[in-house]
Amino acid sequence: EPEVTQTPSHQVTQMGQEVILRCVPISNHLYFYWYRQILGQKVEFLVSFYNNEISEKSEIFDDQFSVERPDGSNFTLKIRSTKLEDSAMYFCAMRGGGNSPLHFGNGTRLTVT
Amino acid sequence: AQSVSQHNHHVILSEAASLELGCNYSYGGTVNLFWYVQYPGQHLQLLLKYFSGDPLVKGIKGFEAEFIKSKFSFNLRKPSVQWSDTAEYFCAVNAPHTGTASKLTFGTGTRLQVTL
Repeated sequence: EPEVTQTPSHQVTQMGQEVILRCVPISNHLYFYWYRQILGQKVEFLVSFYNNEISEKSEIFDDQFSVERPDGSNFTLKIRSTKLEDSAMYFCAMRGGGNSPLHFGNGTRLTVT
Repeated sequence: AQSVSQHNHHVILSEAASLELGCNYSYGGTVNLFWYVQYPGQHLQLLLKYFSGDPLVKGIKGFEAEFIKSKFSFNLRKPSVQWSDTAEYFCAVNAPHTGTASKLTFGTGTRLQVTL
């Protein structure tokens, strides 16, 4: 299975600080996603990204969140001003075209104090 | 919008016992169905998927799942579990015709604990 690399593996930040989570794209993968999993809860969709623009976003993905993939490089999720409730495991996922399956990264554990 | 229900939150089995984890979804149209596994400290991995055709699908590590359209179900089974199957199992669905970047919707997950 292709490996999706996410960095950092663990990030601790203070409330109100900005964080950027990164994901290294796999060659030929076109669709990019961010999911998050709050401890003990289900995996929740945040946003999908295709052709350098957001395709869909959930109600969780408010103005504090943004995604980009400048010049075909890393796919990033930025949280502008973190809140305690942003503490979660954030998973990057990507897939190729058609019905190809999603490949997930190992996740970044974000802890907001 | 689609939703997924997994009614078993925590299942404890002895090695060699048979496993069945329930998954029900709600969506009126065509769906793709998936089971993912998350071993402790690791990322989500695809166990198996159903798109069309034979409703009984076989995945990795001896797992299988059966799609029953009339029951909106996609239960995961394994005849004989091993200690190494201890993990969290997630059922997921997407609606392929809702857009080219259609998202996966996950269930709440089932924690499987296999004892020796």
